[in-house]
Amino acid sequence: EAGVTQFPSHSVIEKGQTVTLRCDPISGHDNLYWYRRVMGKEIKFLLHFVKESKQDESGMPNNRFLAERTGGTYSTLKVQPAELEDSGVYFCASSQLRASGSNEQFFGPGTRLTVL
Amino acid sequence: AQSVSQHNHHVILSEAASLELGCNYSYGGTVNLFWYVQYPGQHLQLLLKYFSGDPLVKGIKGFEAEFIKSKFSFNLRKPSVQWSDTAEYFCAVNMYSSASKIIFGSGTRLSIRP
Repeated sequence: EAGVTQFPSHSVIEKGQTVTLRCDPISGHDNLYWYRRVMGKEIKFLLHFVKESKQDESGMPNNRFLAERTGGTYSTLKVQPAELEDSGVYFCASSQLRASGSNEQFFGPGTRLTVL
Repeated sequence: AQSVSQHNHHVILSEAASLELGCNYSYGGTVNLFWYVQYPGQHLQLLLKYFSGDPLVKGIKGFEAEFIKSKFSFNLRKPSVQWSDTAEYFCAVNMYSSASKIIFGSGTRLSIRP
């Protein structure tokens, strides 16, 4: 079974440009999460989708970030325009939708974003 | 506010030494607890987890962790480390029986001298 995949693995852009990150969750996982780690800091939650709906977007830093999950499969995270402080590693995770019980999230390899 | 605190930023040990990484959390309710590990150049992967039951949890590669509810702690232990344990370790928590977001600690970088 394929794990969570993310594209690209690395992206280097200039301040003011736009970047779109993509995440493909594990097949059948309705929960999809975005997290970010800025260098030297902890991994922080950004957003949670259940299928195509945004369940929790309390971690999105500002309106320069737009996440979508059309059709409830893969998700994209767009940063427009990018700022220097957006540099970091963006992780995607997915989990099964369960009515109760434990919920393990499986993480992708991350996309390292560098804004110059 | 929910938070996870890891006591050590960087730990350096020799092979065969014993390891204990501290983790405390602040969370208003029943929780799931995790330790994740990221080996150099690899994915973040689950080392072990506690959802309920026996507070002493065994994970992969000889790691274990003990949930002490009264201390809000979930320390990670290994009796004898190997060079291959060099990695970054993250303690994490989320709300019990929930698909909610995971709150991570800041990570502990473990370096093992051969």
